[in-house]
Amino acid sequence: GEDVEQSLFLSVREGDSSVINCTYTDSSSTYLYWYKQEPGAGLQLLTYIFSNMDMKQDQRLTVLLNKKDKHLSLRIADTQTGDSAIYFCAESDGQNFVFGPGTRLSVLP
Amino acid sequence: GAVVSQHPSWVICKSGTSVKIECRSLDFQATTMFWYRQFPKQSLMLMATSNEGSKATYEQGVEKDKFLINHASLTLSTLTVTSAHPEDSSFYICSARKQGAPMGYTFGSGTRLTVV
Repeated sequence: GEDVEQSLFLSVREGDSSVINCTYTDSSSTYLYWYKQEPGAGLQLLTYIFSNMDMKQDQRLTVLLNKKDKHLSLRIADTQTGDSAIYFCAESDGQNFVFGPGTRLSVLP
Repeated sequence: GAVVSQHPSWVICKSGTSVKIECRSLDFQATTMFWYRQFPKQSLMLMATSNEGSKATYEQGVEKDKFLINHASLTLSTLTVTSAHPEDSSFYICSARKQGAPMGYTFGSGTRLTVV
């Protein structure tokens, strides 16, 4: 089956940039997503990118997509303590939806 | 917008009892909703796809008699955990996709089930 991989943990200092990486195997992915999950809460869609795009920026968030390498990254500029959460990468071919294992981001003061 | 409401947020029940979790799409109609289960510190596992007016489609390894899904209207799907056991304790999340919305699936806030 299709697979989405992420590193499980990332620690950064407040004010630094965070980069969370994701790789996927489905070459027919149409949409790629980043979701944020705070403790005990559901998933919040942060941003998404179409597979025919290379980059998308939304305020502090920058998504980069390398379709050839099937590599997706999420950069959070000026990381704040409120950004501490689990970040899930997900891909969809329009029919199926596959999540990565999630990256736990810890922001240190 | 596309808002999905999930209720209850948390529930504690005794072993052997059944628990119903509701998933509602508040401002759109959803012919299809999805139920996920999340174990501590793990990713989401798709349990089943709920189809309005027809039977749910269960993923391999998910007991359909254990996890009853009913999608009786275009805005409501329910998941009933029958004869709950402590190993059913988990975080259950539903999602739905608004037709024509490219931003993907909207998730409910989740239900934390604890079976004692």
